[in-house]
Amino acid sequence: DAGVIQSPRHEVTEMGQEVTLRCKPISGHNSLFWYRQTMMRGLELLIYFNNNVPIDDSGMPEDRFSAKMPNASFSTLKIQPSEPRDSAVYFCASSLRGLGNEQFFGPGTRLTVL
Amino acid sequence: GIQVEQSPPDLILQEGANSTLRCNFSDSVNNLQWFHQNPWGQLINLFYIPSGTKQNGRLSATTVATERYSLLYISSSQTTDSGVYFCAVEARGYSTLTFGKGTMLLVSP
Repeated sequence: DAGVIQSPRHEVTEMGQEVTLRCKPISGHNSLFWYRQTMMRGLELLIYFNNNVPIDDSGMPEDRFSAKMPNASFSTLKIQPSEPRDSAVYFCASSLRGLGNEQFFGPGTRLTVL
Repeated sequence: GIQVEQSPPDLILQEGANSTLRCNFSDSVNNLQWFHQNPWGQLINLFYIPSGTKQNGRLSATTVATERYSLLYISSSQTTDSGVYFCAVEARGYSTLTFGKGTMLLVSP
């Protein structure tokens, strides 16, 4: 298996633009997680899905952020409009089932909002 | 919300040395995990250990849930162990993970 795939690996955009991050989980995994990492706030779990259904989105910072999982093999994290404070590395991870199983991480997307 | 504190914040070791990293948490948990982030940013889930002891090669972890702490042991450290080690907990009654700030480990040859 290719592991968790994220795209793009790097994204530079201007404030106010829409940003879409993409993730393909490991085939057969039923849970998918979106994380954000910054120097100021460390690692944060933004949202996770079980069987394509959002279970907990308490970490989503504000309404500008939205995440979808239309099928078992694809998820998006969208920021609209983007702001400089959204600059961070965004990781996607997947596990067989839920928070209590080993998570496998993608390489991350480094987002810079100018 | 639950507080997660890791110590020490930084650690420098000579290759071959042993070390113990600590994670304290402020409330009861359903789930505790240890992660390693290498110097290139890649994250790896090391252990899922809400209680008890687990071992994986040179690494082992122990969680004493009643006393609200977990320990990660690294024996015979290698330069490839360098990076940041994070502890994360799922507080009882919640369904999200809260991370500590991490312990940055540098193993020198």
